[in-house]
Amino acid sequence: AQKVTQAQTEISVVEKEDVTLDCVYETRDTTYYLFWYKQPPSGELVFLIRRNSFDEQNEISGRYSWNFQKSTSSFNFTITASQVVDSAVYFCALRGFYNQGGKLIFGQGTELSVKP
Amino acid sequence: NAGVTQTPKFQVLKTGQSMTLQCAQDMNHEYMSWYRQDPGMGLRLIHYSVGAGITDQGEVPNGYNVSRSTTEDFPLRLLSAAPSQTSVYFCASSRRGRETGETQYFGPGTRLLVL
Repeated sequence: AQKVTQAQTEISVVEKEDVTLDCVYETRDTTYYLFWYKQPPSGELVFLIRRNSFDEQNEISGRYSWNFQKSTSSFNFTITASQVVDSAVYFCALRGFYNQGGKLIFGQGTELSVKP
Repeated sequence: NAGVTQTPKFQVLKTGQSMTLQCAQDMNHEYMSWYRQDPGMGLRLIHYSVGAGITDQGEVPNGYNVSRSTTEDFPLRLLSAAPSQTSVYFCASSRRGRETGETQYFGPGTRLLVL
């Protein structure tokens, strides 16, 4: 079975604080993909990043960074110097290699509130 | 490219009514999917398609029907609406192939309220 757990339901920070969103996953596939999506208050789902299971390099994109650790089945997302515009619900998702059609297993989401 | 489009944006139905949620994409993606989003549950897969004429069930298919006659369109039909189908519905599409990881791109969503 495949599962994604985002244990943090809500996080509230003050602008300029760093914040880490946790994601833990379960899969029996040896090859899989992990994703993060952002859902701002307007409601759309915005793709942020994809990670392959065979590439454990961490990635940084501006204020965003991702820490993929296969040993702990985690794919955590850090926002450095948070801004009010980062306020959104963030979803972590998993696709097993054999999941036909690109279909995703989503976590429950973490609602991030960044206060000025 | 318009990407993935969905209509309507918002709909109110009475219990027992039927309706079709429309989804279209102009990226020539092979794969399309329907998800529903409910509070505290993330997104759950309803149905998906790997190409025109081919559909399959996801995690929560009951009460929904799909068909895919063209690459571009993937409508979702509610056969007899129930209050439990009150949700936000997202359509997604992705390109087949390892190089893209089959990353899914989502439409803006349809908010459905069943009274």
